[in-house]
Amino acid sequence: DQQVKQNSPSLSVQEGRISILNCDYTNSMFDYFLWYKKYPAEGPTFLISISSIKDKNEDGRFTVFLNKSAKHLSLHIVPSQPGDSAVYFCAASDVNTGKLIFGQGTTLQVKP
Amino acid sequence: GAGVSQTPSNKVTEKGKYVELRCDPISGHTALYWYRQSLGQGPEFLIYFQGTGAADDSGLPNDRFFAVRPEGSVSTLKIQRTERGDSAVYLCASSPPRSSYNEQFFGPGTRLTVL
Repeated sequence: DQQVKQNSPSLSVQEGRISILNCDYTNSMFDYFLWYKKYPAEGPTFLISISSIKDKNEDGRFTVFLNKSAKHLSLHIVPSQPGDSAVYFCAASDVNTGKLIFGQGTTLQVKP
Repeated sequence: GAGVSQTPSNKVTEKGKYVELRCDPISGHTALYWYRQSLGQGPEFLIYFQGTGAADDSGLPNDRFFAVRPEGSVSTLKIQRTERGDSAVYLCASSPPRSSYNEQFFGPGTRLTVL
Protein backbone atom coordinates (compact mmCIF):
# COMPACT_ATOMS: atom_id res chain seq x y z
CA ASP A 1 0.00 0.00 0.00
CA GLN A 2 1.78 3.10 -1.29
CA GLN A 3 0.94 5.95 1.09
CA VAL A 4 2.94 8.53 -0.87
CA LYS A 5 2.84 8.50 -4.66
CA GLN A 6 4.69 10.37 -7.35
CA ASN A 7 2.93 9.35 -10.53
CA SER A 8 5.32 10.97 -12.99
CA PRO A 9 8.59 9.06 -13.22
CA SER A 10 10.23 11.80 -15.29
CA LEU A 11 9.89 15.42 -16.35
CA SER A 12 11.82 17.43 -18.90
CA VAL A 13 11.75 21.24 -19.02
CA GLN A 14 13.68 24.01 -20.73
CA GLU A 15 16.08 26.15 -18.74
CA GLY A 16 14.36 29.26 -17.40
CA ARG A 17 10.89 27.71 -17.43
CA ILE A 18 8.89 26.41 -14.47
CA SER A 19 9.21 22.83 -13.23
CA ILE A 20 6.21 21.40 -11.38
CA LEU A 21 6.59 18.11 -9.55
CA ASN A 22 3.54 16.47 -8.05
CA CYS A 23 2.90 14.18 -5.11
CA ASP A 24 -0.23 12.53 -3.68
CA TYR A 25 -0.73 10.93 -0.29
CA THR A 26 -3.39 8.89 1.43
CA ASN A 27 -2.84 9.31 5.18
CA SER A 28 -4.40 12.45 6.64
CA MET A 29 -2.32 12.04 9.83
CA PHE A 30 0.94 13.12 8.24
CA ASP A 31 2.21 16.28 9.97
CA TYR A 32 4.99 17.46 7.67
CA PHE A 33 5.85 17.01 4.04
CA LEU A 34 9.37 17.31 2.72
CA TRP A 35 11.06 17.39 -0.67
CA TYR A 36 14.46 15.86 -1.15
CA LYS A 37 16.79 16.09 -4.14
CA LYS A 38 19.13 13.26 -5.06
CA TYR A 39 22.12 13.17 -7.39
CA PRO A 40 23.59 9.82 -8.52
CA ALA A 41 25.83 8.12 -5.93
CA GLU A 42 24.83 10.61 -3.24
CA GLY A 43 22.30 10.49 -0.45
CA PRO A 44 19.12 12.56 -0.66
CA THR A 45 19.54 16.20 0.40
CA PHE A 46 16.76 18.19 2.01
CA LEU A 47 15.24 20.90 -0.16
CA ILE A 48 12.12 22.35 1.42
CA SER A 49 9.31 21.33 3.76
CA ILE A 50 5.79 22.33 4.65
CA SER A 51 3.71 21.82 7.75
CA SER A 52 0.29 20.23 7.36
CA ILE A 53 -1.27 23.40 8.77
CA LYS A 54 0.13 25.56 5.97
CA ASP A 55 -0.75 25.69 2.30
CA LYS A 56 2.40 27.29 0.90
CA ASN A 57 6.07 27.60 1.74
CA GLU A 58 8.58 29.47 -0.37
CA ASP A 59 12.38 29.43 -0.34
CA GLY A 60 14.08 31.24 -3.17
CA ARG A 61 13.31 29.51 -6.46
CA PHE A 62 11.47 26.70 -4.68
CA THR A 63 7.84 26.79 -3.55
CA VAL A 64 5.81 23.94 -2.15
CA PHE A 65 2.01 24.00 -2.22
CA LEU A 66 -0.19 21.77 -0.09
CA ASN A 67 -3.84 21.00 -0.84
CA LYS A 68 -5.06 19.02 2.16
CA SER A 69 -8.55 18.40 0.86
CA ALA A 70 -7.09 16.78 -2.25
CA LYS A 71 -4.19 15.18 -0.32
CA HIS A 72 -1.88 16.64 -2.93
CA LEU A 73 1.31 18.65 -2.85
CA SER A 74 3.50 20.10 -5.53
CA LEU A 75 6.99 21.56 -5.81
CA HIS A 76 7.50 24.49 -8.14
CA ILE A 77 10.96 25.45 -9.31
CA VAL A 78 11.22 28.74 -11.14
CA PRO A 79 13.29 29.54 -13.04
CA SER A 80 14.62 26.04 -13.64
CA GLN A 81 18.38 25.64 -14.06
CA PRO A 82 20.42 22.76 -15.54
CA GLY A 83 21.90 22.14 -12.08
CA ASP A 84 18.40 21.29 -10.86
CA SER A 85 18.54 18.08 -12.91
CA ALA A 86 18.22 15.29 -10.34
CA VAL A 87 15.73 12.86 -8.84
CA TYR A 88 13.20 14.56 -6.57
CA PHE A 89 11.51 12.66 -3.76
CA CYS A 90 8.42 13.71 -1.90
CA ALA A 91 8.29 12.45 1.69
CA ALA A 92 5.70 12.54 4.45
CA SER A 93 6.53 12.57 8.14
CA ASP A 94 4.72 10.15 10.44
CA VAL A 95 3.76 12.18 13.51
CA ASN A 96 3.96 9.13 15.80
CA THR A 97 7.40 7.80 14.93
CA GLY A 98 9.18 10.47 12.92
CA LYS A 99 9.95 8.10 10.08
CA LEU A 100 9.72 9.45 6.56
CA ILE A 101 7.58 7.75 3.95
CA PHE A 102 8.87 8.43 0.47
CA GLY A 103 7.33 8.49 -2.97
CA GLN A 104 8.96 6.70 -5.87
CA GLY A 105 10.73 9.82 -7.14
CA THR A 106 10.56 11.96 -10.27
CA THR A 107 13.62 12.45 -12.46
CA LEU A 108 13.84 16.07 -13.57
CA GLN A 109 15.91 17.03 -16.57
CA VAL A 110 16.45 20.71 -17.26
CA LYS A 111 17.74 21.31 -20.77
CA PRO A 112 20.01 24.28 -21.51
CA GLY B 1 30.95 20.31 9.61
CA ALA B 2 31.02 16.61 8.84
CA GLY B 3 27.88 15.04 7.49
CA VAL B 4 26.55 11.53 7.94
CA SER B 5 29.13 8.99 6.85
CA GLN B 6 28.56 5.37 5.87
CA THR B 7 31.03 2.55 5.38
CA PRO B 8 31.67 0.71 3.21
CA SER B 9 30.44 2.61 0.19
CA ASN B 10 30.10 -0.65 -1.73
CA LYS B 11 29.81 -4.21 -0.49
CA VAL B 12 29.67 -7.31 -2.65
CA THR B 13 28.94 -10.58 -0.92
CA GLU B 14 27.75 -14.07 -1.69
CA LYS B 15 24.34 -15.45 -0.90
CA GLY B 16 24.22 -16.81 2.62
CA LYS B 17 26.99 -14.60 4.03
CA TYR B 18 26.75 -12.14 6.92
CA VAL B 19 27.31 -8.40 6.41
CA GLU B 20 27.62 -5.34 8.62
CA LEU B 21 26.98 -1.81 7.44
CA ARG B 22 28.13 1.13 9.53
CA CYS B 23 26.67 4.61 9.98
CA ASP B 24 28.29 7.61 11.68
CA PRO B 25 25.64 10.27 12.29
CA ILE B 26 26.20 13.98 12.61
CA SER B 27 27.60 14.82 16.04
CA GLY B 28 24.84 15.76 18.47
CA HIS B 29 22.04 14.17 16.46
CA THR B 30 19.99 11.99 18.75
CA ALA B 31 17.75 10.30 16.18
CA LEU B 32 19.14 7.84 13.64
CA TYR B 33 17.26 6.13 10.82
CA TRP B 34 18.02 3.32 8.40
CA TYR B 35 16.33 3.14 5.01
CA ARG B 36 16.70 0.82 2.03
CA GLN B 37 16.39 1.99 -1.55
CA SER B 38 15.81 -0.43 -4.38
CA LEU B 39 16.27 0.53 -8.02
CA GLY B 40 13.57 2.89 -9.24
CA GLN B 41 12.00 3.27 -5.80
CA GLY B 42 12.12 5.78 -3.01
CA PRO B 43 13.86 5.03 0.28
CA GLU B 44 11.93 2.59 2.43
CA PHE B 45 12.03 2.88 6.23
CA LEU B 46 13.71 0.07 8.17
CA ILE B 47 14.40 1.17 11.75
CA TYR B 48 14.62 4.28 13.91
CA PHE B 49 16.75 4.90 17.00
CA GLN B 50 16.22 7.59 19.58
CA GLY B 51 19.45 7.50 21.57
CA THR B 52 20.51 3.90 22.14
CA GLY B 53 17.11 2.28 21.87
CA ALA B 54 15.21 1.21 18.79
CA ALA B 55 12.04 3.31 18.92
CA ASP B 56 10.50 1.72 15.83
CA ASP B 57 11.78 -1.38 14.02
CA SER B 58 8.58 -2.07 12.13
CA GLY B 59 10.30 -1.70 8.75
CA LEU B 60 12.80 -4.53 9.19
CA PRO B 61 11.68 -7.12 6.62
CA ASN B 62 12.44 -10.22 8.71
CA ASP B 63 14.58 -11.51 11.55
CA ARG B 64 17.69 -11.73 9.37
CA PHE B 65 17.96 -7.95 9.79
CA PHE B 66 19.14 -6.40 13.03
CA ALA B 67 20.56 -3.01 14.00
CA VAL B 68 22.32 -1.66 17.07
CA ARG B 69 23.41 1.71 18.40
CA PRO B 70 25.10 0.82 21.68
CA GLU B 71 26.44 4.25 22.67
CA GLY B 72 23.83 6.43 21.05
CA SER B 73 26.08 7.50 18.20
CA VAL B 74 27.43 5.03 15.62
CA SER B 75 24.98 2.43 14.38
CA THR B 76 25.52 -0.91 12.66
CA LEU B 77 22.97 -2.66 10.46
CA LYS B 78 23.53 -6.40 10.42
CA ILE B 79 22.16 -8.79 7.83
CA GLN B 80 22.45 -12.54 8.33
CA ARG B 81 22.20 -15.21 5.62
CA THR B 82 22.02 -12.63 2.87
CA GLU B 83 19.74 -13.24 -0.10
CA ARG B 84 19.86 -11.80 -3.62
CA GLY B 85 16.74 -9.79 -2.83
CA ASP B 86 18.68 -7.89 -0.15
CA SER B 87 20.65 -6.13 -2.89
CA ALA B 88 19.91 -2.40 -2.58
CA VAL B 89 21.37 0.88 -1.39
CA TYR B 90 21.17 1.14 2.38
CA LEU B 91 20.82 4.73 3.56
CA CYS B 92 21.37 6.11 7.01
CA ALA B 93 20.00 9.45 8.21
CA SER B 94 20.16 11.43 11.42
CA SER B 95 18.23 14.36 12.80
CA PRO B 96 18.88 16.81 15.63
CA PRO B 97 16.88 16.92 18.85
CA ARG B 98 13.70 18.99 18.72
CA SER B 99 13.67 19.11 14.94
CA SER B 100 10.53 21.07 14.16
CA TYR B 101 9.76 19.51 10.82
CA ASN B 102 11.66 16.24 11.01
CA GLU B 103 14.38 17.16 8.53
CA GLN B 104 16.67 14.16 8.22
CA PHE B 105 20.23 14.37 6.95
CA PHE B 106 21.26 11.45 4.79
CA GLY B 107 24.57 9.75 4.23
CA PRO B 108 25.74 8.66 0.78
CA GLY B 109 24.58 5.10 1.33
CA THR B 110 26.13 1.65 1.10
CA ARG B 111 25.42 -0.23 -2.11
CA LEU B 112 25.01 -3.90 -1.20
CA THR B 113 25.19 -6.51 -3.94
CA VAL B 114 24.42 -10.12 -3.08
CA LEU B 115 25.62 -12.56 -5.76
